[in-house]
Amino acid sequence: ETGVTQSPTHLIKTRGQQVTLRCSSQSGHNTVSWYQQALGQGPQFIFQYYREEENGRGNFPPRFSGLQFPNYSSELNVNALELDDSALYLCASISDPRNANEQFFGPGTRLTVL
Amino acid sequence: AQKITQTQPGMFVQEKEAVTLDCTYDTSDQSYGLFWYKQPSSGEMIFLIYQGSYDEQNATEGRYSLNFQKARKSANLVISASQLGDSAMYFCAMRDPRSGGSYIPTFGRGTSLIVHP
Repeated sequence: ETGVTQSPTHLIKTRGQQVTLRCSSQSGHNTVSWYQQALGQGPQFIFQYYREEENGRGNFPPRFSGLQFPNYSSELNVNALELDDSALYLCASISDPRNANEQFFGPGTRLTVL
Repeated sequence: AQKITQTQPGMFVQEKEAVTLDCTYDTSDQSYGLFWYKQPSSGEMIFLIYQGSYDEQNATEGRYSLNFQKARKSANLVISASQLGDSAMYFCAMRDPRSGGSYIPTFGRGTSLIVHP
């Protein structure tokens, strides 16, 4: 069973640009969550997708959007990048959204906005 | 609103000794769950242990145990017999009740643990 993968590993963008981050979930997992982790902070929940539908959203503006595909992989899109969007973005592949021990995190994408 | 507080930005421990990482929480809910995660330098979050608010016994998972003191609203992680591989960031988290049946955590700011040989 392959683990959760995220791409790219690192990314540098400038203010105002748009970015797309990708996450491949584990086989059989139909739910994906995305988190933003700023330097020195814990992760903050952005949103969750279940079977291609958004299934919960944290306190993030609409310029943070997502997609989940039929194979349950997912994208996080951020428009009009701001300096404060610089962070580690984590996705979690989930076999049972009710249980913490059924969530498997990827290694993250480190985004730097200049 | 929920809040998780981890007051120790950094902790140091000698290999093979035990260490306690502090976590206090604030919630008005009667039913809640508390979790600990480990985040190595590679970035991924690794689930360690879970304690439900109605669980009477402290949770244990191998070398990890959770010292749950409900009246004091604390959920400290105890790592026994520390190993060099335990060096990492450790996060305390609580289930957000607004998420209904789904597990959506609120995380603390984390504690950096360094294990010395």
